[in-house]
Amino acid sequence: GAVVSQHPSWVICKSGTSVKIECRSLDFQATTMFWYRQFPKQSLMLMATSNEGSKATYEQGVEKDKFLINHASLTLSTLTVTSAHPEDSSFYICSAPSLARFTDTQYFGPGTRLTVL
Amino acid sequence: TQLLEQSPQFLSIQEGENLTVYCNSSSVFSSLQWYRQEPGEGPVLLVTVVTGGEVKKLKRLTFQFGDARKDSSLHITAAQPGDTGLYLCAVTNFGNEKLTFGTGTRLTIIP
Repeated sequence: GAVVSQHPSWVICKSGTSVKIECRSLDFQATTMFWYRQFPKQSLMLMATSNEGSKATYEQGVEKDKFLINHASLTLSTLTVTSAHPEDSSFYICSAPSLARFTDTQYFGPGTRLTVL
Repeated sequence: TQLLEQSPQFLSIQEGENLTVYCNSSSVFSSLQWYRQEPGEGPVLLVTVVTGGEVKKLKRLTFQFGDARKDSSLHITAAQPGDTGLYLCAVTNFGNEKLTFGTGTRLTIIP
């Protein structure tokens, strides 16, 4: 099956700094990727849709200036958490949909645990 | 934004018992997926159902999609400790790749 990787798997940073998280599709191309956030003991919440060659689209309530998304190539999307604060501490997960027809399959990355001190 | 309610929110049972978890909404979906997620990992797809009334089996897991395509259930027979995890249902809307996840059921199987 298709593989999606994330880097780093975990990161600890100081309040006020910026953190970049990478999402890569390793053996397939993804014109679209999705970024989710998951707080402890909660479900996944979609933050934004990353589009190769165009601007990302953000879900209601997600600050686009705080969570910068860049879809640099057909295999790479990055999420930068700018001026991170403790409330941004969360598990960030990306996914990429299969390009196969008649399928809604999405492939999820292993997640990145962000802790802001 | 449609709300997907899963029940129960938490479930802790003994190894060997059977269980059913539910995923409900007031909206109709084009497809519904079930995932299992373990701590510190991304969710792993278990099954996709697309047809109202559809039943799919995956070893000891049985998935059913409601006739009206608004709800689904996951039944596990003879639960094992390896079934422990967060079970999530997720849906897509017609013509849209975006997944909306349910509230989740955290399952613990006690050896």
